[in-house]
Amino acid sequence: DTGVSQDPRHKITKRGQNVTFRCDPISEHNRLYWYRQTLGQGPEFLTYFQNEAQLEKSRLLSDRFSAERPKGSFSTLEIQRTEQGDSAMYLCASSPVGAGELFFGEGSRLTVL
Amino acid sequence: QQQVKQSPQSLIVQKGGISIINCAYENTAFDYFPWYQQFPGKGPALLIAIRPDVSEKKEGRFTISFNKSAKQFSLHIMDSQPGDSATYFCAATGAGGTSYGKLTFGQGTILTVHP
Repeated sequence: DTGVSQDPRHKITKRGQNVTFRCDPISEHNRLYWYRQTLGQGPEFLTYFQNEAQLEKSRLLSDRFSAERPKGSFSTLEIQRTEQGDSAMYLCASSPVGAGELFFGEGSRLTVL
Repeated sequence: QQQVKQSPQSLIVQKGGISIINCAYENTAFDYFPWYQQFPGKGPALLIAIRPDVSEKKEGRFTISFNKSAKQFSLHIMDSQPGDSATYFCAATGAGGTSYGKLTFGQGTILTVHP
């Protein structure tokens, strides 16, 4: 068990480009979450999956954002037509069903120029 | 109503002192209140959590005090150490069902413990 793994750790892109982040959760965890954290703020919930089903999406998740967890294992978060306001740390977390503790990865930092 | 308000934004204490961070919430549906610790370049990690059926929970040097009527809770770090220097976030959620991991975080407190 190596914890939650996120890739890439850093991504610099130009406005208008598409980016994709990957998250590999702890293997036995059914639930997977995406959060966004901007500088000096707490993480904000974006969406979560139980196995392969996306059960909830925040209103923060505009139609330029899409997340998938195709086989109930790893997940991807894609941002299309990036904007400077998308610059943030994107955190992935996982947990077993019914457990309160979220295990966070180290995040993927996005900078949009 | 979904907000969790955290104070202070930053805190400096001397080694061996007590660090106190406060949070307030409005949503009475919240019934699970964790504290997360985050070091630079790392993701948040659970430190300690409490449910509103108890007024206090202690784990080692870390204590959560909970006041349900005031809708406030606080983290106390006793005998603060330089290694405790980090950003601390309070959070809240409605336990059970689909909302369990949907945490609402406070704004964070940057704690610096001087040797």
